[in-house]
Amino acid sequence: NAGVTQTPKFQVLKTGQSMTLQCAQDMNHNSMYWYRQDPGMGLRLIYYSASEGTTDKGEVPNGYNVSRLNKREFSLRLESAAPSQTSVYFCASSEYAARQGGEKLFFGSGTQLSVL
Amino acid sequence: SQQGEEDPQALSIQEGENATMNCSYKTSINNLQWYRQNSGRGLVHLILIRSNEREKHSGRLRVTLDTSKKSSSLLITASRAADTASYFCATLANRDDKIIFGKGTRLHILP
Repeated sequence: NAGVTQTPKFQVLKTGQSMTLQCAQDMNHNSMYWYRQDPGMGLRLIYYSASEGTTDKGEVPNGYNVSRLNKREFSLRLESAAPSQTSVYFCASSEYAARQGGEKLFFGSGTQLSVL
Repeated sequence: SQQGEEDPQALSIQEGENATMNCSYKTSINNLQWYRQNSGRGLVHLILIRSNEREKHSGRLRVTLDTSKKSSSLLITASRAADTASYFCATLANRDDKIIFGKGTRLHILP
């Protein structure tokens, strides 16, 4: 089982460049999430999608946009990358939205992004 | 702002000893979860405890929850080298779909 697949695994950008991080899950989960992980900060929620067709802001949404393309895919876009967005990005999914009992998150292996 | 705060930030113990990590949080919660992250990998769910539960066990893991103190502890008994990892608590607040993580405890098991 692939679970949650993120691409790319590594990326280097110059300030001002744009890119899209891709995430796909094959578990038929309704809810998907994007987190960033910085040293000493733990994981911080960027955006989440409780179900197909809906997206909501998390703790640190500024500088990012998301698209829930279909039930399987949830992409994260950096329109104009900044050095402050250097981080490791994790996509996760859960069977249902958290309030509906689908609290267990399944994580991808991460994307290490450096913005120079 | 982050909800959970783990303590200690780092912990080193001898193999075979028990490891205890604590988590404090700020608002009322629906449930609290613990995750493990091995170096360079994604997080893996370990255990979930609901707000109406006080203690839960899973193999060598024991989790307690004290909602009056807004705190939880994770105990790993008879530690092994493979337990070396970072451990995160995560909370689901009432009336919310967001699962918010703490900063984590880095656990190192010494041979």
